[in-house]
Amino acid sequence: DVKVTQSSRYLVKRTGEKVFLECVQDMDHENMFWYRQDPGLGLRLIYFSYDVKMKEKGDIPEGYSVSREKKERFSLILESASTNQTSMYLCASSLAETQYFGPGTRLLVL
Amino acid sequence: AQSVTQLDSHVSVSEGTPVLLRCNYSSSYSPSLFWYVQHPNKGLQLLLKYTSAATLVKGINGFEAEFKKSETSFHLTKPSAHMSDAAEYFCVIFLDTGRRALTFGSGTRLQVQP
Repeated sequence: DVKVTQSSRYLVKRTGEKVFLECVQDMDHENMFWYRQDPGLGLRLIYFSYDVKMKEKGDIPEGYSVSREKKERFSLILESASTNQTSMYLCASSLAETQYFGPGTRLLVL
Repeated sequence: AQSVTQLDSHVSVSEGTPVLLRCNYSSSYSPSLFWYVQHPNKGLQLLLKYTSAATLVKGINGFEAEFKKSETSFHLTKPSAHMSDAAEYFCVIFLDTGRRALTFGSGTRLQVQP
């Protein structure tokens, strides 16, 4: 079974803090993705990566950056957290069209 | 642009009655379509997927969906609801336009009454 893990289930941060969300997959997938989930909006793509050191902007990249130094790990960075970044963050990985999701990190920015 | 529209934000059924969750898609190409389920405080789980083989797709937990090109629909059904089916369901389209990303519908929350 594919396993995608995220470093934290819940996080509470203050406005202006730098926040790191980590995601690790164990199936040697080339593709990795970060989404945020908000009520009534479904999931929206923030950033994705097809290979190590590669990154592409998704639909809502503003205020975020990413890092992929190793194939199995994809990090999402909030450079200066703001209250409108309070959300559920989901990481996914894939080989082809089917994506496998981690359990999510619920981030609260105060 | 390719997209999916989930026609109901909430659906409530009684245990043992049929479930119908509606999804329409818009695509210039032959799409790949998925249904994912999210139980409370859990990650997203793949229920089923359509990738241009049989138009009636069977998934896990007794769910199935039928791809209807003439109606641009991909509705999710189950003959008899169970309490454990209460969750949020997402209809998803795959954009193979170089981005290889999924586009999600806004979700349908299914309630199952005893």
